[in-house]
Amino acid sequence: QKEVEQDPGPLSVPEGAIVSLNCTYSNSAFQYFMWYRQYSRKGPELLMYTYSSGNKEDGRFTAQVDKSSKYISLFIRDSQPSDSATYLCAMSANAGGTSYGKLTFGQGTILTVHP
Amino acid sequence: ETGVTQSPTHLIKTRGQQVTLRCSSQSGHNTVSWYQQALGQGPQFIFQYYREEENGRGNFPPRFSGLQFPNYSSELNVNALELDDSALYLCASSTPTGVGEAFFGQGTRLTVV
Repeated sequence: QKEVEQDPGPLSVPEGAIVSLNCTYSNSAFQYFMWYRQYSRKGPELLMYTYSSGNKEDGRFTAQVDKSSKYISLFIRDSQPSDSATYLCAMSANAGGTSYGKLTFGQGTILTVHP
Repeated sequence: ETGVTQSPTHLIKTRGQQVTLRCSSQSGHNTVSWYQQALGQGPQFIFQYYREEENGRGNFPPRFSGLQFPNYSSELNVNALELDDSALYLCASSTPTGVGEAFFGQGTRLTVV
């Protein structure tokens, strides 16, 4: 079993829809949770970063972390064609430094927003 | 665009050869991590360098090695290339305790034939 599970999709939605992306994990030591967006043939771009449980909002994006259920979500409101990309969840047990901050990624969900 | 740059962007090598990939980290970031991303998969952690020392390694064999230089730039070396090494190699830089704010370069696409 993988430490982080993410439905690869693909997910296709009309412009303006609310998109929900999810990951589950098995390692209870994870404390740092990130969402990255990756366009084709590009490196991942950091979208959201959350420490421990709770919600965080940034414009059209909302990240939720439920550590009791080992479940994280990313919501995209008013989705746009430019949001079409692969979305990767990532997690770490440590902040970095001597306890090195290794990121464990999900497989990625391919999202297409059509006009 | 992040301040992390990688070179080259594309590379084709023959099985058994050796390859060196390079990464310049973002200004102010002294921690560099390398990841391998196979097609259709999420990135897999190879190793991390902090203060010019390797301070963490994922499940990769010793033929994957690296260096970090005093200016915090880094190299990834892969010896005895195998077909399965074909992937996108990503470099990420961060502050020492900034795992949640790691910024990635555009990657090097390595094809082994």
